Amino acid sequence: ETGVTQTPRHLVMGMTNKKSLKCEQHLGHNAMYWYKQSAKKPLELMFVYNFKEQTENNSVPSRFSPECPNSSHLFLHLHTLQPEDSALYLCASSRTGQMKESPQHFGDGTRLSIL
Amino acid sequence: LAKTTQPISMDSYEGQEVNITCSHNNIATNDYITWYQQFPSQGPRFIIQGYKTKVTNEVASLFIPADRKSSTLSLPRVSLSDTAVYYCLVRGGGADGLTFGKGTHLIIQP
Repeated sequence: ETGVTQTPRHLVMGMTNKKSLKCEQHLGHNAMYWYKQSAKKPLELMFVYNFKEQTENNSVPSRFSPECPNSSHLFLHLHTLQPEDSALYLCASSRTGQMKESPQHFGDGTRLSIL
Repeated sequence: LAKTTQPISMDSYEGQEVNITCSHNNIATNDYITWYQQFPSQGPRFIIQGYKTKVTNEVASLFIPADRKSSTLSLPRVSLSDTAVYYCLVRGGGADGLTFGKGTHLIIQP
């Protein structure tokens, strides 16, 4: 139990579908992150939210749309995805996005497969 | 942005001590060094963090020399369950240091 819960754990969708990934943290943290991990590749930072404000968008295509309604919840809305978007999507949180000594706590991810 | 370099893979045996070294030659004055462990199909897990000298917790030790241009994660008496990928990150403020490299794939054999 990491204190960061991601749902669903697995998702299969067609390229024309719209779905959302959910992340919830119970750690009282104020920063949340989305990462993408493709097979045999390093984690790629996608988005950073600090106190509900987006502070980083790492050149992510617009077919990925994040939403952070409060410091405990983070969503990733998906639409018109491509096969190369199949990957493990990981959510993380930390006390704040500015504290360099604040380690991240990760969920176990959503395994996304695009047909 | 401080870049890190680690060995791609390492092998060891149960009961041995394993040391994984990470190079970060352009580390900044205020950067912290953090190590994570990742098993397949799981998110990375925080292991240990330090700024200088030596830090020890219940699972590992972290050795940082005076110049801070490298750090060594030490895992005492490893077991098969320590087989995983280990990442070294050097983090300043903001998004700096949130980039994970390829990590070190540690394989523990019986």
